[in-house]
Amino acid sequence: DIQMTQSPSTLSASVGDRVTITCRASQRISSWLAWYQQKPGKAPNLLIYKASSLESGVPSRFSGSGSGTEFTLTISGLQPDDFATYYCQQYNSYWTFGQGTKVEIK
Amino acid sequence: EVQLLESGGGFVQPGGSLRLSCVASGFTFSSYAMSWVRQAPGKGLEWVSGISDTGGAKTYYADSVKGRFTISRDNSKNTVYLQVNSLRAEDTAVYYCAKVGGGYHAEYFQHWGQGTLVTVSS
Repeated sequence: DIQMTQSPSTLSASVGDRVTITCRASQRISSWLAWYQQKPGKAPNLLIYKASSLESGVPSRFSGSGSGTEFTLTISGLQPDDFATYYCQQYNSYWTFGQGTKVEIK
Repeated sequence: EVQLLESGGGFVQPGGSLRLSCVASGFTFSSYAMSWVRQAPGKGLEWVSGISDTGGAKTYYADSVKGRFTISRDNSKNTVYLQVNSLRAEDTAVYYCAKVGGGYHAEYFQHWGQGTLVTVSS
C-alpha cells in the first residue's frame, strides 16, 4: 500500500502570507496526485489534479508542483476563505489520502 | 450541474447492517467510476471502496472493510450503493460518494456528495 505523509499537520498563517504544504509518497506515484480543501461540516473540494493542474473555478493563487514522491501545494497570498484543512491524495494505485494540514489564523 | 445525493445513514448497533445509496445527476452516470470515502468524527479522509464504470465489473475495497462492505451500481437508476455489514464502532463516520474525473488516468475525485452519517453504537 502507498502511504501519504503531509507536513505540517497544522500551520498558522496570516492573510496575505505565502503558504506551502508538503506531501510525500512512500513510493513513486508519477504525477498522479490531487489536492483537496475541506471546510468544517462540508465535503472536500478538488483544487489540483495531476500534481499541478488547476481544477476549473479554483483561484489561481493555488498551485501544485512535484512528481515521483515529493509534492507541494502553495497558496500565494492567503485569503480569509482559505482557512481550512487540506488533503493530498494519490491515485496511482487505488487511493490514499494524507492525514491533512489545518491552516489556521495566526 | 453534477449532483450526488447520499442517503441511508443512521444509528445502528455493532454487528448491524445498512445500505447507503448515492443518486447521481447532471452527467452520464454509466461512463464514470464511483467511490465511497468516509471521515470519522474529527479525523481525516479514508477511501473505502470503488467501482468501475459501465457494468461495474471491477470493484475495489480498503483492507479495513474488505469482506464486510459491498459496492454495487444500478446504471438504470443512476445510483451507486454501499452495503455495510458487520458494523463496528470504528465504522462510525460520514460516508461520502465521489465521482472520478474524466479522461486518461483521471481517478481523482472531481465531485462529492454532501455525505451521510453512520453511527455505530450500543
